[in-house]
Amino acid sequence: ETGVTQSPTHLIKTRGQQVTLRCSSQSGHNTVSWYQQALGQGPQFIFQYYREEENGRGNFPPRFSGLQFPNYSSELNVNALELDDSALYLCASSPQTENYGYTFGSGTRLTVV
Amino acid sequence: DQQVKQNSPSLSVQEGRISILNCDYTNSMFDYFLWYKKYPAEGPTFLISISSIKDKNEDGRFTVFLNKSAKHLSLHIVPSQPGDSAVYFCAACDFSGNTGKLIFGQGTTLQVKP
Repeated sequence: ETGVTQSPTHLIKTRGQQVTLRCSSQSGHNTVSWYQQALGQGPQFIFQYYREEENGRGNFPPRFSGLQFPNYSSELNVNALELDDSALYLCASSPQTENYGYTFGSGTRLTVV
Repeated sequence: DQQVKQNSPSLSVQEGRISILNCDYTNSMFDYFLWYKKYPAEGPTFLISISSIKDKNEDGRFTVFLNKSAKHLSLHIVPSQPGDSAVYFCAACDFSGNTGKLIFGQGTTLQVKP
C-alpha cells in the first residue's frame, strides 16, 4: 500500500509568480486536504476536495486554489506569490470526508524570495 | 484566534521517565481529538486519538487523557525512549460543514535524552 506522495520536495519562487504543488493520494482514499505549515506553527487547513469538488475551505484567499482528478490525485495552485506564502505545504488523504484517519505526505517546502 | 493551544514549545525528559504533553482548546463543540508526531523532513504521522465520550485512551506506551470540563487533553508517554524525540501536535477534528478538517496546535518539541 503506497502512502501519500508529494512533489516537488523543495521549491524556490519569486514574489508575484505562480506555483503548482502535486499530491498523489494513498490508494483507496477519495478525500484530499491541503495544509500550510509556517515555521514554528502547526499546520493550517487550506481546503479539502472530495470527488473532484471543493467541500471545505479554511481562511485562505482565492489565490489559493486546487484541483482533484478522477484518480483522486490533487494539485494546489497559488497565484501572485507573497513572501508570507513561504511554508511547508502538506497534503493529507483519507477514505472519506468525515473520516479522521488522515495520512499525510512529507510535504513541499516552498520558499518565496 | 487559536482554538487549539500547546503552551509548551519544548520538553526535555530522561529516557525511561514519563513525558507529559499538554493541549488546551476553546471550542466546546470539538468532540474528537488526535495526536500526531512529526520528524524533520517527514509529514505528521498519526499517534493516538480520543473521542469526547471517553476520558482516556491507551495504546501501548501512549495514553491520552481528556478533561472536557477544563477543555484540556494530555498525552503521556511511558517509558520515554530516544526515538520518541520529535515534534508532537495536538489536533481537534472539526466536522462542521461536512468537512473533517483538523485544527492543530503549535506543537511541542520533545527531546528524550539517553
